[in-house]
Amino acid sequence: SAVISQKPSRDICQRGTSLTIQCQVDSQVTMMFWYRQQPGQSLTLIATANQGSEATYESGFVIDKFPISRPNLTFSTLTVSNMSPEDSSIYLCSVKKPSNTEAFFGQGTRLTVV
Amino acid sequence: DAKTTQPPSMDCAEGRAANLPCNHSTISGNEYVYWYRQIHSQGPQYIIHGLKNNETNEMASLIITEDRKSSTLILPHATLRDTAVYYCIVINSGTYKYIFGTGTRLKVLA
Repeated sequence: SAVISQKPSRDICQRGTSLTIQCQVDSQVTMMFWYRQQPGQSLTLIATANQGSEATYESGFVIDKFPISRPNLTFSTLTVSNMSPEDSSIYLCSVKKPSNTEAFFGQGTRLTVV
Repeated sequence: DAKTTQPPSMDCAEGRAANLPCNHSTISGNEYVYWYRQIHSQGPQYIIHGLKNNETNEMASLIITEDRKSSTLILPHATLRDTAVYYCIVINSGTYKYIFGTGTRLKVLA
């Protein structure tokens, strides 16, 4: 398995501000992903975080709104920029290790924008 | 990426087997079937996966039809702690992108 630490676990933010969410893994992983889960909904893939290069975004998500960094094989950040109440969601980090075929998920960051 | 269809909700009596179906009729040859569950307010938890053979682990069994167009997750003796949303996901072994459907909300009844 993988031990994934996401920080913060929850936050309440003012509209128009930005929040950076951190994802730290206990060992090197080949792939890292960021998901959003809106209230009462399923998970939606935002992007694949690529080490040393720009993230690969899914349709409907753009770098200006959700900039992502991945400076090494165990760490990534997701920033939610210029927040509005519609950004209130749980944001989850997911990783795949070389030795496993399945992906593991963090416990998520619960964001409320007021 | 192949899409999956699951019933929105199911009930199961505690101690009985829970059988959760999933339809993935557009699955292609190099795509795997994965099952996860999400207990309220937690991240999704891996349960089991398979390609074409039936699989069993300490948590569950996975039955995949011969044509691979559908599968069933079996929790042999459901407990109250198995109450969760269960997701069936078809994964491309190259991209590993998880496209979540709406899942099945399983409620285990005492």
